[in-house]
Amino acid sequence: EVQLVESGGGLVQPGGSLRLSCAASGFTFNNYEMNWVRQAPGKGLEWVSYISSSGNVIYYADSVKGRFTISRDNAKNSLYLQMNSLRAEDTAIYYCARDRAGDYVLLIDYWGQGTLVTVSS
Amino acid sequence: DIQMTQSPSSLSASVGDRVTITCRASESISSYLNWYQQKPGKAPQVLIYGASTLQSGVPSRFSGSGSGTDFTLTISSLRPEDFATYYCQQSYSPEKTFGQGTKVEIK
Repeated sequence: EVQLVESGGGLVQPGGSLRLSCAASGFTFNNYEMNWVRQAPGKGLEWVSYISSSGNVIYYADSVKGRFTISRDNAKNSLYLQMNSLRAEDTAIYYCARDRAGDYVLLIDYWGQGTLVTVSS
Repeated sequence: DIQMTQSPSSLSASVGDRVTITCRASESISSYLNWYQQKPGKAPQVLIYGASTLQSGVPSRFSGSGSGTDFTLTISSLRPEDFATYYCQQSYSPEKTFGQGTKVEIK
């Protein structure tokens, strides 16, 4: 059974930092591309970042570029999101999400349960 | 970045109704369009991918169509468990943008 379990969320002051982790199990982690997607309270979904299976291709949403860093450790079956210079508008549930690619298709097929990040003084 | 615009933002419908949600991309995305369903307090789940392919285990009352810039999600006969928020998402560009969501509520 595929499982994605996020951790590391919490309350942080504006300007602070936080590191989210996602522990993956039930599949061959190093074969899959991964994403972070967030959802502010009562709002819609926002894609945050993508990392290729080997970690050498990375993309970010403009809203987090230069402040957030995605990484992975395939030996530990883990995905990470280092978040610096946090702002109130970064308050959201952060989901770890797995990509599934095929012929002319690319979708997110598994999501974690999410971890809440609250940026407030 | 590619912008995704859904309409309507919300709708009220009754059990048994046919429901249609539209999604428009700001530029052509071929068929790289996915639909997700999200219920309160839960993570999203994929319903349709590649614009029209039903994800395994998803009831056949859900269907998707379209290509290029205009797409549609249809629920042929609404059931109580379908009351949720629906999101389209493009996966044509690396920045996988979502639509703003359509909340389907009980009339």
